[in-house]
Amino acid sequence: DTGVSQDPRHKITKRGQNVTFRCDPISEHNRLYWYRQTLGQGPEFLTYFQNEAQLEKSRLLSDRFSAERPKGSFSTLEIQRTEQGDSAMYLCASSLTPRLAGNTDTQYFGPGTRLTVL
Amino acid sequence: AQKVTQAQTEISVVEKEDVTLDCVYETRDTTYYLFWYKQPPSGELVFLIRRNSFDEQNEISGRYSWNFQKSTSSFNFTITASQVVDSAVYFCALSKHNTDKLIFGTGTRLQVFP
Repeated sequence: DTGVSQDPRHKITKRGQNVTFRCDPISEHNRLYWYRQTLGQGPEFLTYFQNEAQLEKSRLLSDRFSAERPKGSFSTLEIQRTEQGDSAMYLCASSLTPRLAGNTDTQYFGPGTRLTVL
Repeated sequence: AQKVTQAQTEISVVEKEDVTLDCVYETRDTTYYLFWYKQPPSGELVFLIRRNSFDEQNEISGRYSWNFQKSTSSFNFTITASQVVDSAVYFCALSKHNTDKLIFGTGTRLQVFP
């Protein structure tokens, strides 16, 4: 049973460039989440999907950010026109849909993609 | 508003000492969930425990134990007989009923010296 995987692990880019990250969840998990973590802080929620539907987006997710999960399996997070403030660790997590509506299941995290914008 | 506070930024102990990491949370919900995650230097968040707000029983798993007290809105984590491999940043997180969004504290960095 493989865990959540993310690619690339590290990305260095110049300001103004576009970047795309990929997340592959645990195979039977139908919920997928993106978080951002800056140095010395806890992760902050960005967005999440149930299957291919994007159910919630944080105000942190500006219009330069877009996330997709077209077939309900892997997901991509794209940042357009990167800024130095986008430098952070981008974490992906996945979980099962709870059996009881309204419950929260455990999220399992991937290793993250560390983005550095020069 | 929901909030998680981990007041201890960094703790240093010597191996075999016991150490307690504090977590205080704020929520107006009656149903919610609390979590602890470990983040070693590799960066990956490792799940440790999940509790719901109706289960106040303390839990023990090996050298780890958790003390959940609704009266003080705290969910503290104790490591008994700490080891060097316990060195990591530990995060407490809160999730409310009907949403999967985790709200994390700022973490406590634990350094265990041999």
